[in-house]
Amino acid sequence: SQTIHQWPATLVQPVGSPLSLECTVEGTSNPNLYWYRQAAGRGLQLLFYSVGIGQISSEVPQNLSASRPQDRQFILSSKKLLLSDSGFYLCAWSVKTSGANVLTFGAGSRLTVL
Amino acid sequence: SQKIEQNSEALNIQEGKTATLTCNYTNYSPAYLQWYRQDPGRGPVFLLLIRENEKEKRKERLKVTFDTTLKQSLFHITASQPADSATYLCALGPSYNTDKLIFGTGTRLQVFP
Repeated sequence: SQTIHQWPATLVQPVGSPLSLECTVEGTSNPNLYWYRQAAGRGLQLLFYSVGIGQISSEVPQNLSASRPQDRQFILSSKKLLLSDSGFYLCAWSVKTSGANVLTFGAGSRLTVL
Repeated sequence: SQKIEQNSEALNIQEGKTATLTCNYTNYSPAYLQWYRQDPGRGPVFLLLIRENEKEKRKERLKVTFDTTLKQSLFHITASQPADSATYLCALGPSYNTDKLIFGTGTRLQVFP
């Protein structure tokens, strides 16, 4: 069966420090991969998505970047964190169900920037 | 731009009653509409998907309707239980020109015994 892992689960970082969140998927090949951010009281905001190794699409201009060095690995990074980067970050992968794009999410990473 | 609206206020109902959550959208013509459940501190979990040419979809105690004329979906939980307490997210998509999903902010459901 397919599983998705995200880490770390929680982190507290000072403003200006770097960030690296990792996501790996097991049990599937060539998945679509996504990074979402969920701020308090707001919906899920799509940050990046990838349809293959090295193929990254950015949805919003921001202080973050994403990379896909391997088929089932997706990394979210920042060189210098801002206070506004605080939030709940969710990695997801998609499977096609009768033409739809159903997402399976990881457990999330809670980032607090101080 | 596309906009999805879900009731921001929590819905409080008594155990055994039917919970009805609403999802309205504008400036979008999705081919699919999806509902997810999210528990505190966890990632959303897929529940149901309905296509634009389907009026209604059922799964156990869950029922979803999709009215593309009104641009609205209703999500029903019959015989609700305290374990149904969670936030429920509506997601639109894919559409004919994008695979991306657009999520609403979600409605928190609280079922009291």
